[in-house]
Amino acid sequence: DAKTTQPPSMDCAEGRAANLPCNHSTISGNEYVYWYRQIHSQGPQYIIHGLKNNETNEMASLIITEDRKSSTLILPHATLRDTAVYYCIVRGGSGGSNYKLTFGKGTLLTVNP
Amino acid sequence: AAGVIQSPRHLIKEKRETATLKCYPIPRHDTVYWYQQGPGQDPQFLISFYEKMQSDKGSIPDRFSAQQFSDYHSELNMSSLELGDSALYFCASRWDFNTEAFFGQGTRLTVV
Repeated sequence: DAKTTQPPSMDCAEGRAANLPCNHSTISGNEYVYWYRQIHSQGPQYIIHGLKNNETNEMASLIITEDRKSSTLILPHATLRDTAVYYCIVRGGSGGSNYKLTFGKGTLLTVNP
Repeated sequence: AAGVIQSPRHLIKEKRETATLKCYPIPRHDTVYWYQQGPGQDPQFLISFYEKMQSDKGSIPDRFSAQQFSDYHSELNMSSLELGDSALYFCASRWDFNTEAFFGQGTRLTVV
């Protein structure tokens, strides 16, 4: 699995956009970028995923660079409830052990009032 | 919508005892993953099943075993428990390889 690098922590003001970066310079062509978050000791929650194109859903937007070596998760209007550890995960798309999610060191996002 | 159900939510065991954790995936999900998360650590992959067959194995101790049953629920059996086994254990399920996995709320195991 490709490795990811995320900043250990970030702060964001409530109501502002939170932009969480992730580097995955060794990503290969069939690997997806997934984002999950974990709110204190709860089960990880799926946010969004993408392969090449930018993606948007009701929770967030995912911007993937053209060379796919990095991506940014955008929470457009952060709330206090978005305080969590955010994990960027690169997952294979070709079967077998590539399908599991391997969690690295995520980013602790703290949304401040 | 139905979610992944894990039971029990909390479990306290003594050293050298055994424990069984259960996971009920979302209906029609045929793949189950187990993760262990120690205090202050990130979730670590243990084992996964697809269509009742083991599909991948991670850092699961030999003292642990797991299986997926005909109704797709899964059980993680842990024997000769050690203090270091105290952790949150998460189960996740998915229905297709290219869809997202959904996690349960976890079982908190405390070994005393």
